[in-house]
Amino acid sequence: GAGVSQSPSNKVTEKGKDVELRCDPISGHTALYWYRQRLGQGLEFLIYFQGNSAPDKSGLPSDRFSAERTGESVSTLTIQRTQQEDSAVYLCASSFFGRADTQYFGPGTRLTVL
Amino acid sequence: AQRVTQPEKLLSVFKGAPVELKCNYSYSGSPELFWYVQYSRQRLQLLLRHISRESIKGFTADLNKGETSFHLKKPFAQEEDSAMYYCAPHTGNQFYFGTGTSLTVIP
Repeated sequence: GAGVSQSPSNKVTEKGKDVELRCDPISGHTALYWYRQRLGQGLEFLIYFQGNSAPDKSGLPSDRFSAERTGESVSTLTIQRTQQEDSAVYLCASSFFGRADTQYFGPGTRLTVL
Repeated sequence: AQRVTQPEKLLSVFKGAPVELKCNYSYSGSPELFWYVQYSRQRLQLLLRHISRESIKGFTADLNKGETSFHLKKPFAQEEDSAMYYCAPHTGNQFYFGTGTSLTVIP
């Protein structure tokens, strides 16, 4: 593909429901990152995947958040029992191994929790 | 704790005027520093990195370790520079993005 893609582009859900966000990285990019951007705030690092290594989950805000990645392809970010404070734009980025300085970002998923 | 501060949420300058977007960081160790930019309706993208000492689209940024700053500068702003700019220190696997500065260049 031409770039990182994310789906859905917008998601509205009710408080307490689970949501799943998807990221398709650029082919050949072994590193994948998830970020969260709340309104008026900077990007918060959530999780980092590198190949088959154990992911760096140090940015996940609570145990309601989890992410999976199959090999070096698609990743899904799951938020269980959503809360209103989870409302944000969730951005995914990918890069070649060792090139975290050159991340390519997806368009983001705007999550609204009512 | 690692922290990056961009004190100006909004910045407006006239076309042709100099522009400086401020970034201060609080960091242990020696981070690499980057500026990312997001133009209207486009994705976030890398603008420049301090390690390469490059000038991109007329922008430069100097790392001042004494002041722990990495301000982004351009001598003559252009309308197409209007965008959201993020300062981002990087260490290990993580980037720490600032809250961003929205730059508007007035024709």
